[in-house]
Amino acid sequence: DGGITQSPKYLFRKEGQNVTLSCEQNLNHDAMYWYRQDPGQGLRLIYYSQIVNDFQKGDIAEGYSVSREKKESFPLTVTSAQKNPTAFYLCASSPRIGHFADTQYFGPGTRLTVL
Amino acid sequence: AQSVAQPEDQVNVAEGNPLTVKCTYSVSGNPYLFWYVQYPNRGLQFLLKYITGDNLVKGSYGFEAEFNKSQTSFHLKKPSALVSDSALYFCAVSAANAGNNRKLIWGLGTSLAVNP
Repeated sequence: DGGITQSPKYLFRKEGQNVTLSCEQNLNHDAMYWYRQDPGQGLRLIYYSQIVNDFQKGDIAEGYSVSREKKESFPLTVTSAQKNPTAFYLCASSPRIGHFADTQYFGPGTRLTVL
Repeated sequence: AQSVAQPEDQVNVAEGNPLTVKCTYSVSGNPYLFWYVQYPNRGLQFLLKYITGDNLVKGSYGFEAEFNKSQTSFHLKKPSALVSDSALYFCAVSAANAGNNRKLIWGLGTSLAVNP
């Protein structure tokens, strides 16, 4: 099956802990994205990457970090500096670098809850 | 600045009736416009997009959208709603001349409820 996988589906974190959310795609897409979704706020871009070993901050990057060591993988770490991390996190990918007419394809999401 | 508005938080329609979910946008230059659907606790699914050409765009699951440049709108429509269409719908826009700004700008979403 081709597509984007995210794991885990549900994640619980204690305050002060870092957690890493996994995102893998086998679509051979160049660009990958991380979004945060909160009720009534739509999607907000955290980070995006257009090529291996390169990534750019989105609108709400504070308290988050990413890496892009492989084309197919774009993990997101939610650090203890993120003051309100409870949210639904969505990973997406699109085929080509810099082609913002390209469709973004989404994974199933990870729901993170801070206890 | 680019922006997109979905003026209705919720739309209610009876099964079998036509449905419309509204979207208006503001961009500099030519827009790229997208509609996505999200079912509870799931990722977003692509429905359709307008890049150029015919103003009426047909997409998945019988949905279509009409690009209206003068009204800067891109409303999503379906001739006959199904209960299974009940979901959260997102409109998004990007601009052809956005330069290094490769982001999509997302609306806040419209919750569609189709009543049996």
